[in-house]
Amino acid sequence: DAGVIQSPRHEVTEMGQEVTLRCKPISGHDYLFWYRQTMMRGLELLIYFNNNVPIDDSGMPEDRFSAKMPNASFSTLKIQPSEPRDSAVYFCASSWPEGGQFFGPGTRLTVL
Amino acid sequence: SQKIEQNSEALNIQEGKTATLTCNYTNYSPAYLQWYRQDPGRGPVFLLLIRENEKEKRKERLKVTFDTTLKQSLFHITASQPADSATYLCAPDDKIIFGKGTRLHILP
Repeated sequence: DAGVIQSPRHEVTEMGQEVTLRCKPISGHDYLFWYRQTMMRGLELLIYFNNNVPIDDSGMPEDRFSAKMPNASFSTLKIQPSEPRDSAVYFCASSWPEGGQFFGPGTRLTVL
Repeated sequence: SQKIEQNSEALNIQEGKTATLTCNYTNYSPAYLQWYRQDPGRGPVFLLLIRENEKEKRKERLKVTFDTTLKQSLFHITASQPADSATYLCAPDDKIIFGKGTRLHILP
């Protein structure tokens, strides 16, 4: 298995633009997580899914953020409109129940 | 509120010695706890998971303990090597909160 795949790896955009981050989890994993990491705040959970159903989105900062998982092999995290304070590394991870999480390489987002 | 604290932001250890990292949690009773390693520019990598009924777990040069009375987990790297230099994160349970991590530097 190729591991968790994220795209794009880097994204530079201007304030106000829509940003879509993509994730392909490891086949067979029931859980999918979206995290954001910054130096100041560390690794923060944004939302997680179990069997494609969103379970906890309390970490999503505001309505500008949305996430979907239309099927077991694909998820998106969308920011619309983007703001400079959204600049961070966004990670996707997947796991089995009560198992370690496997993280993707991350998407480094810069909003100018 | 639930809180995770890792002992220090950075830790310098001489090569060959044992490095010990601490993870304390409050207002929490996790059924298990995980440790991850993160290198610069990369995502965290899962290392070990220890359950509340396990006192200790080992994997090669790594050893993790879990004391539910003290609400603490210790992560040990024996015979440390410069390649062990990284940030180590703890995460009680499987999804909610990660500690901010401890940057470990193994000095040659």
